[in-house]
Formats: sequence, C-alpha cells, structure tokens
Amino acid sequence: GEDVEQSLFLSVREGDSSVINCTYTDSSSTYLYWYKQEPGAGLQLLTYIFSNMDMKQDQRLTVLLNKKDKHLSLRIADTQTGDSAIYFCAESITGRRALTFGSGTRLQVQP
Amino acid sequence: EPEVTQTPSHQVTQMGQEVILRCVPISNHLYFYWYRQILGQKVEFLVSFYNNEISEKSEIFDDQFSVERPDGSNFTLKIRSTKLEDSAMYFCASTAGPRSQETQYFGPGTRLLVL
Repeated sequence: GEDVEQSLFLSVREGDSSVINCTYTDSSSTYLYWYKQEPGAGLQLLTYIFSNMDMKQDQRLTVLLNKKDKHLSLRIADTQTGDSAIYFCAESITGRRALTFGSGTRLQVQP
Repeated sequence: EPEVTQTPSHQVTQMGQEVILRCVPISNHLYFYWYRQILGQKVEFLVSFYNNEISEKSEIFDDQFSVERPDGSNFTLKIRSTKLEDSAMYFCASTAGPRSQETQYFGPGTRLLVL
C-alpha cells in the first residue's frame, strides 16, 4: 500500500530558507500536496503539484518533485516566525479520493 | 473566503457512549470526507461521501461508524459506542467537483476524548 514519510523536525533561523522533505512509495500518485497545521488549528492547504510536473513556485514556496526517486520537497524562502507549524505532505492516487498523509515535519523558526 | 466548519471543537465522552461530530462543508462542494489524527500519529482517511452514499472507506471505518447528510448543509460522523482508542482529532473536508484530484479543504477539527 501507499506510504508517505517525512523527517520529524526542522529548525531554522528567521530569514533563512527551509527545506522540508517527503518520500512516497506509490508510483501511481497523481497529486502531491503540502498542508500546514498551526497549533490547535486545522489543515491549511499550502500548495500542490501534479505528478507530471517537476517544479511549482508560489510566492515564497517552491515545490520540487523527483518522480524517479519518489521525493517531494517544499522550500520556504525567507522563513518567518509565523511559518512555525507542522507541515504535512500528502498524496492522492489515481481513482481514489483518500489522501495519504505523512507524519508531519515540525518547523521551528528561531528569531 | 468560504471555509469548512466543525462543531464542537472539543468533546469529552464516556466509553460506550454515542457521539455525533458535525461539519458544515463549503456550500457548493459535493464530496465530503472524514479523517482522524490520533495524538502523535498520522492523519488517517476514514470515509468519503458523495450523492448521499459512501464512495470510499478505510479499514478503520467499521460498523461503529456511520456518516449522514441530514440536510442540505450538515455532514455528520456518528460513533455508536465509543472506545478509548477513538480518542483523536477528527477532521472534516470537502471538495468541489467530480475529479478525484480536487483539492480537499479541511475544517479546524473536533478533538474527541473518550474516558
């Protein structure tokens, strides 16, 4: 079955770039998503990429997809303290509605 | 901006009791979902719902669980006889259209604690 893995924790200084990584196992992934969860809040969709794309940029966010290695990354440029949160990678596969989530990466931004 | 809402935000119940978690999806959305997140674990898919019937469910979604759209706006998850292991954050989500890749918008969650 499908599985999505992420590192658990990342700490960066304010103003630096953050790179959060994710690996997935199912080669029939169609869309890959990044969600943000702030303390006590729900899941906020940040961005997504279709599996036939290599890169997507949206303001401070850059998503890179290496389909061969089944590796997805989220780069946040000029990281701010307000970016401190848990970031979840998720995938959807052809013909299914269910999203499969990773365990989340806690990003801590030091002032 | 339209959003998914959920009530209550927190619920405490005794083991064996029934609970109903409520969601109001985004108004023009057609597909509805429930996920749960046990503390410290991954967000897990429970069920999807379209056209008044379940379209997909996971192994977690056993006979203790049921979903319903009782009117034109609410979408509910019922747990008939709660167990300790049902303690989790429950998220509702909705999508607009028929394509399975439509972006899912999530509500803020209901934290359920079973004692």
